[in-house]
Amino acid sequence: GAGVSQSPSNKVTEKGKDVELRCDPISGHTALYWYRQSLGQGLEFLIYFQGNSAPDKSGLPSDRFSAERTGGSVSTLTIQRTQQEDSAVYLCASSFKGLLKEGEQFFGPGTRLTVL
Amino acid sequence: GQSLEQPSEVTAVEGAIVQINCTYQTSGFYGLSWYQQHDGGAPTFLSYNGLDGLEETGRFSSFLSRSDSYGYLLLQELQMKDSASYFCAVRVRSSGSARQLTFGSGTQLTVLP
Repeated sequence: GAGVSQSPSNKVTEKGKDVELRCDPISGHTALYWYRQSLGQGLEFLIYFQGNSAPDKSGLPSDRFSAERTGGSVSTLTIQRTQQEDSAVYLCASSFKGLLKEGEQFFGPGTRLTVL
Repeated sequence: GQSLEQPSEVTAVEGAIVQINCTYQTSGFYGLSWYQQHDGGAPTFLSYNGLDGLEETGRFSSFLSRSDSYGYLLLQELQMKDSASYFCAVRVRSSGSARQLTFGSGTQLTVLP
């Protein structure tokens, strides 16, 4: 079956513009995560969706960042009024709650965002 | 909050054994995961330790000691393709019953011929 997919793969935008990043998780996976990774750095947790529960937004760096997950599947991460420090690779991951290997998440290829 | 420490770089030769350590400070700890990431690629899952002890998967093994807040990833019979970044990640309880992973900053492994 298909893995996690993300679009676009690359996005270049001007400072102050809004961007939307899309994630299609693996079918049947109830958990969906967004991370941000700057060059040479680790993964920074942004937001977590699990089923119909309220999302865990504790990692969002500012109120310019928001995310939605429609129908328990596709998710969109929106960054408003982008700043240069938002430039990074944005990774989406999904997992199936209840797997024996609960620490296993499946990552998409990421969206490389460049804010000029 | 949570914090994880792992070495920033490790170098070894082909065929050798290398150990990448990870120490953590966290609350609501459930387990320790390891991920591999090649340059320009997505992280891929290697192993998970929910209980103390050693987990073995082929050439890779991972160890956890909850009492010491410590774990390691052991790579045997190193191959050139093992050159990558390796991240430890703790699975913790966040709001309510939600669980998330907090990642370390990664260890860049370079395998020399």
